[in-house]
Parts: sequence; C-alpha cells; structure tokens
Amino acid sequence: EDQVTQSPEALRLQEGESSSLNCSYTVSGLRGLFWYRQDPGKGPEFLFTLYSAGEEKEKERLKATLTKKESFLHITAPKPEDSATYLCAVQAGGNTPLVFGKGTRLSVIA
Amino acid sequence: GAVVSQHPSWVICKSGTSVKIECRSLDFQATTMFWYRQFPKQSLMLMATSNEGSKATYEQGVEKDKFLINHASLTLSTLTVTSAHPEDSSFYICSAKEPSGNTIYFGEGSWLTVV
Repeated sequence: EDQVTQSPEALRLQEGESSSLNCSYTVSGLRGLFWYRQDPGKGPEFLFTLYSAGEEKEKERLKATLTKKESFLHITAPKPEDSATYLCAVQAGGNTPLVFGKGTRLSVIA
Repeated sequence: GAVVSQHPSWVICKSGTSVKIECRSLDFQATTMFWYRQFPKQSLMLMATSNEGSKATYEQGVEKDKFLINHASLTLSTLTVTSAHPEDSSFYICSAKEPSGNTIYFGEGSWLTVV
C-alpha cells in the first residue's frame, strides 16, 4: 500500500530561520512526488513535481529535493507569508489519484 | 498557467435537499478528475475518480448514490450531494491532471454547510 508520512506535524519558525520539512514515502513505482501549499479555506496550490532521485527544484525561498525514500522541502529565510500547510503527495500510475501525507503546518513569526 | 475552477465557493443548503458543485479545467482538457473532501485541520480524503464518458470510481466507504459524479465533458465534472445532512458539511475540492505534463492542479474548493 502506498504511504506518505510528513514530519514534523507543525513547525514554528522565526522570520529568517531556515528549516526543512520531511516527506517519507513508500510507493510501488513512483510516477511523481508532488508538493503543494494550502492556505486555510483554500485549495492546494501546486509547488513542485519531482520524478527521480537526485532531482531538485527551486521556487523563490523553497527548494525541493528527492531521494528514493524521501523528499525534503527546504525553506530558506522564511517570511510570515510563507505560513501555510505544506502537503506532500505521491502518484504511482498515470491516471491514479495522489496519495497525500497529513501535511506540515508552518508558522513563521515576524 | 493551468487553472481548475470550482463553483460555488461556498453554499448553504437545508437538510434533505441536493446541491451541485462544478469543477472545470479552464486551460486544458481532463479525461480524469478527482474529488476530495477535507475536514478542518485534516488532510485531503479522496472520494472518487471521475472519468469522462464513463462511471466514476468511488473509494471504499463513499456512498455512490449519495455523492453523484458526472463527467460529461472533457472540461467539466460535477459532484451532487443528494439528500444532504449536516454531517455532509465539509470542504470539497476537485483536481485535474494537465495532459501535456504530469502536473495535477486543484480547484479553490467549495464549502458546503448543511443546516
């Protein structure tokens, strides 16, 4: 059974304090690993898709990396507007639904 | 970029009535769309996979006669909550896969409150 585990469940950072969110996964044939940002009361906003171990992608203060067992979302010098829930999900097949982790709730304090 | 739109954003209905939520892919055609449900401070729970021109595939525990899904065109899927009860109150979200790549986009979500 495909599984995704995210840690920590919640993270509180001071503005400018860099950190990383973890996403561990087990999947039968990874087609893609996805990162989303979700603000309260809104749908998930797409951030990245990673396809193979060793791949990295960056967007502003965010950088996602992938190994064969886990992915990290690195947040460099975060700002209060980065506060959100970050969701990790995997896809095993072409048109199969995503399997989500429970998310990490990030709070960045000014 | 690609956009998935949901309507309405929020709706209040009386117990026993039905309510329809629309999910549209605005920039691309989607043969497959997915419907999720999310309770406060919890992750997304997959309800069903909507396939254009065929019956939806429901997850275990999801009542297909209560949550009717219709994917009549390549850009529109609808979720109808029939005979709604207060326990159906939730945040419903759809997603669609852009066929040219492997990106899956989500709609803005629809808040349903049954009173």
